[in-house]
Amino acid sequence: EPEVTQTPSHQVTQMGQEVILRCVPISNHLYFYWYRQILGQKVEFLVSFYNNEISEKSEIFDDQFSVERPDGSNFTLKIRSTKLEDSAMYFCASSEIGGGKYNEQFFGPGTRLTVL
Amino acid sequence: GIQVEQSPPDLILQEGANSTLRCNFSDSVNNLQWFHQNPWGQLINLFYIPSGTKQNGRLSATTVATERYSLLYISSSQTTDSGVYFCAVGETGANSKLTFGKGITLSVRP
Repeated sequence: EPEVTQTPSHQVTQMGQEVILRCVPISNHLYFYWYRQILGQKVEFLVSFYNNEISEKSEIFDDQFSVERPDGSNFTLKIRSTKLEDSAMYFCASSEIGGGKYNEQFFGPGTRLTVL
Repeated sequence: GIQVEQSPPDLILQEGANSTLRCNFSDSVNNLQWFHQNPWGQLINLFYIPSGTKQNGRLSATTVATERYSLLYISSSQTTDSGVYFCAVGETGANSKLTFGKGITLSVRP
């Protein structure tokens, strides 16, 4: 069964460093998403991406964040200068379509980011 | 934006018991998904159920979209059912993002 994959599973970085989180969405899916979950809290939407551009972003997704689809399979989230409060689990998701029926989102296993 | 409320926040069961988890939402939706977050933090898709009823083994779910709620039923609970259950909705007419509830922490005791 097709699945969303994410690498690395765990990333430890120093405050101020840049990190890139990688995702491979399901191959025939067109919509891609990043969510994050701070430890003990609910999952929060960061950004959605369709047709090589951002379709929606939350207030969390400020200038420190960027997303890219560098090739036909990968989808990346970059944090330019990490802060302590960026420590969280980051989930990538994909869906076949963006709205209406059959827009089920499939989530990857997550990347746990720890900023020291 | 849409509000998602899950209840109860915590639930403790004896193995073999049945339970009902509730998700209320404040506006019409075109997507509703239930997830189980396992001890490793992974979100496991349980149901995609914007309306109607579905069953998968010991789990079933019902969404009454007109009344803005969804229920997840767990029958004959097992210790492996422990974890956090999230309801997430996609608002009708909006972009496709999911808004999550705060989750229900289920503990099943042997």
